[in-house]
Amino acid sequence: KNEVEQSPQNLTAQEGEFITINCSYSVGISALHWLQQHPGGGIVSLFMLSSGKKKHGRLIATINIQEKHSSLHITASHPRDSAVYICAVSESKTSYDKVIFGPGTSLSVIP
Amino acid sequence: ETGVTQSPTHLIKTRGQQVTLRCSSQSGHNTVSWYQQALGQGPQFIFQYYREEENGRGNFPPRFSGLQFPNYSSELNVNALELDDSALYLCASRYQQGAYGYTFGSGTRLTVV
Repeated sequence: KNEVEQSPQNLTAQEGEFITINCSYSVGISALHWLQQHPGGGIVSLFMLSSGKKKHGRLIATINIQEKHSSLHITASHPRDSAVYICAVSESKTSYDKVIFGPGTSLSVIP
Repeated sequence: ETGVTQSPTHLIKTRGQQVTLRCSSQSGHNTVSWYQQALGQGPQFIFQYYREEENGRGNFPPRFSGLQFPNYSSELNVNALELDDSALYLCASRYQQGAYGYTFGSGTRLTVV
């Protein structure tokens, strides 16, 4: 079982739809990250969470530490939101605290 | 806006050559990790530096080496480049181990021909 899992793996939405991407993890963490990667592009940090909820524009990220679960929501989706969204956690129990990346969710928003 | 800057953004090298990739972190970020992301795959941990010393390493050969400097910048060096080294290389830094999360750079895309 992967330490960080995401669902769905692939997602196609119509422009304007509300989108939710889920992340669950099985290790102790100091923080959880939501990252965005466009095809052939670098990684952009969207959010870093250790508790609660954060909002930036049309993006909302929540985390439930007790349930080891996080969600990324996109309101009023737009074709430019098409990208791979990666959930990653900073593991807190290793001698060196590496980041563990989820497999990513590929989002395609159709006009 | 990210506080971690990587340079160059793109680079083309010939097999057998050596390459140095650079990462400039925010002031106070004394922990930096480097990752390799091959096309179509997730990032793989290369190594981590804490206070200028390597304190963790993934499954990468010794020809992958690094340095971390007192000014919170760091380098990833790869010797004897192979075609399979073509990838996006990411650095991520943080204030200290066990606290807060990482700030990611946008990556350097290395192509080995």
